[in-house]
This record gives sequence, C-alpha cells and structure tokens, in this order.
Amino acid sequence: GAVVSQHPSWVICKSGTSVKIECRSLDFQATTMFWYRQFPKQSLMLMATSNEGSKATYEQGVEKDKFLINHASLTLSTLTVTSAHPEDSSFYICSALGGDTTDTQYFGPGTRLTVL
Amino acid sequence: QKEVEQNSGPLSVPEGAIASLNCTYSDRGSQSFFWYRQYSGKSPELIMSIYSNGDKEDGRFTAQLNKASQYVSLLIRDSQPSDSATYLCAVNMAAGNKLTFGGGTRVLVKP
Repeated sequence: GAVVSQHPSWVICKSGTSVKIECRSLDFQATTMFWYRQFPKQSLMLMATSNEGSKATYEQGVEKDKFLINHASLTLSTLTVTSAHPEDSSFYICSALGGDTTDTQYFGPGTRLTVL
Repeated sequence: QKEVEQNSGPLSVPEGAIASLNCTYSDRGSQSFFWYRQYSGKSPELIMSIYSNGDKEDGRFTAQLNKASQYVSLLIRDSQPSDSATYLCAVNMAAGNKLTFGGGTRVLVKP
C-alpha cells in the first residue's frame, strides 16, 4: 500500500515554457501532499504543502506565482512550473501523507526537469 | 533555525559488517523520526519510522532514538552491496507533518 506515482518521469522543455507535473496517490486518499526540489548532491528542499480543496502553503523563498500548485482531489496534486528557466532544472519529488499512518510521507518516483 | 545534522560520509563498510549512521536534531519537541534510503537518481523510500525512546527493529535495520540527547541512529546489519545508497534522516519538527531532512549519509558497501 501507500503507492505514489508521478508523471512525467522526465521532461525537457525550452526556456519560457510551462511544465505541469502530476502527483497521484494510487491506493489511498491523501488530503495532504508535499512538493520538494532536489539539486545534485543536495538534500530535499520542501517547496510547498498542498492540501486538498485549499490553497497551497509555500515555504519561504519559493515563488508561488512561478510554482503553481493545485490539489483538486484526494488523489491528485499538480505542480506547474511557469515560464521555466535553466535554473529551474532540478529533480522534483512529491510525497503524500496517508496510507496506514497519519504522519508518514510516501514519495513519488520524482520528475527530472531539464530546461534548455 | 531548526536543523537536522548528518555526517555526509561516505561511510565505507565491508560486506557483511554493520553500518552505523547517526543523526542529531535541534528541536527538542520533535516527536516523529524517519529514515529514508535514496539511491542515486531515485526518490527516497521509507525504511522505518520511530517515535519512542529505545530501539526499533525491522529486518536488518534497527533504529535507535534518544530524545534526551536529541539523537537518532540507524544500524544496518549484514550490510550488502545493494545497501549502497544515501540515507536520509527526517524529523517532524513542525505542525502539519512537515519533515526537515538532514543532508544524508552516503554509504558504500564493498564486496
């Protein structure tokens, strides 16, 4: 149980375009999902907390107008990187709270974004 | 600032030996502690969680928690080459179940 999927697994886009990443909880309902970013050889950095039916809560320094998060259902959250630039190239990972516990985060497989 | 500290390694252990990983955290009020394993280029996968002082065993893994010393550790017994990965310590330090991650310890198990 507690399986989280992400789509796409990797994406290459041109500078200035927008990219949408989907995060789904496959076998449980997740009222809360998290979005992380990880640069090479660094640990995970929390970008935002996504709650179903409400606005996302962004961490300090994360531009909410650039990283749009929508959590429209109990099994789906999306992250849209708007007007992507090369410095946005990173490994984006979502996690979901749920399954058999209320405080354990289960991670999706991640999406590697490369902006040319 | 709330922090989680880990030795970055690499921690090199021979196959079959015990790997010992340490983690300290700054927020004395923390209640939930997690160990994740992350292979290169992959996302973290949960190894185990621990909430109470003492030891918790799951297969070849043992987590140890000492809240008074603000210290949590992970032991990997009978280390295998497939255990070579980065191990992330994560602590629930705030409301809303947000996790604060340590920088990770890279473990290399040599055949």
